[in-house]
Amino acid sequence: GAVVSQHPSRVICKSGTSVKIECRSLDFQATTMFWYRQFPKQSLMLMATSNEGSKATYEQGVEKDKFLINHASLTLSTLTVTSAHPEDSSFYICSARVAGVSEQYFGPGTRLTVT
Amino acid sequence: KQEVTQIPAALSVPEGENLVLNCSFTDSAIYNLQWFRQDPGKGLTSLLLIQSSQREQTSGRLNASLDKSSGRSTLYIAASQPGDSATYLCATRGHSGGSNYKLTFGKGTLLTVNP
Repeated sequence: GAVVSQHPSRVICKSGTSVKIECRSLDFQATTMFWYRQFPKQSLMLMATSNEGSKATYEQGVEKDKFLINHASLTLSTLTVTSAHPEDSSFYICSARVAGVSEQYFGPGTRLTVT
Repeated sequence: KQEVTQIPAALSVPEGENLVLNCSFTDSAIYNLQWFRQDPGKGLTSLLLIQSSQREQTSGRLNASLDKSSGRSTLYIAASQPGDSATYLCATRGHSGGSNYKLTFGKGTLLTVNP
């Protein structure tokens, strides 16, 4: 149980375009989902926290107008990188938790390359 | 602001050796600490979660200890195997709920177990 999927696993896009990444909880309802970014040889950095049906809370330094997060249902959150630039190339990982449970369950990640 | 440090950054050992990975954190007011494994280009697999009231957790060949007052945790791997080769991440969760459900990660220790 507690499986989280991400789609796509890899995506290449051109500079200036937008790309959407999906995060799904497959066998549980996720009241909260988290989006992390990981640059090579760096730790995972939390970008934003989203609760179903409400606006996401962004970490300091993360542009909310550039990284659009939608958590429209208890099993799906999406991250849209708008007007992507090469410096946005990174590994994006989502996680999900159930209300009342401390543990977060992580997705397999999405490798974004902006050319 | 919590900071998590992992030492060493990389470790190479022969198969069969017992080894210890270290994790330190600056703010001892944590809710729990978690060890993860990350294979190259993949998401995170949770290994062990230690609540702040606990001193250690064991799972198979893995044993994690927590000394909250000194801000330290260790992950002990017994009889290492080539399949243990991966990056091991330590993460703390802040105390209480709300935004403190977020995890703060270290940069990880890259472990290579040589046959």
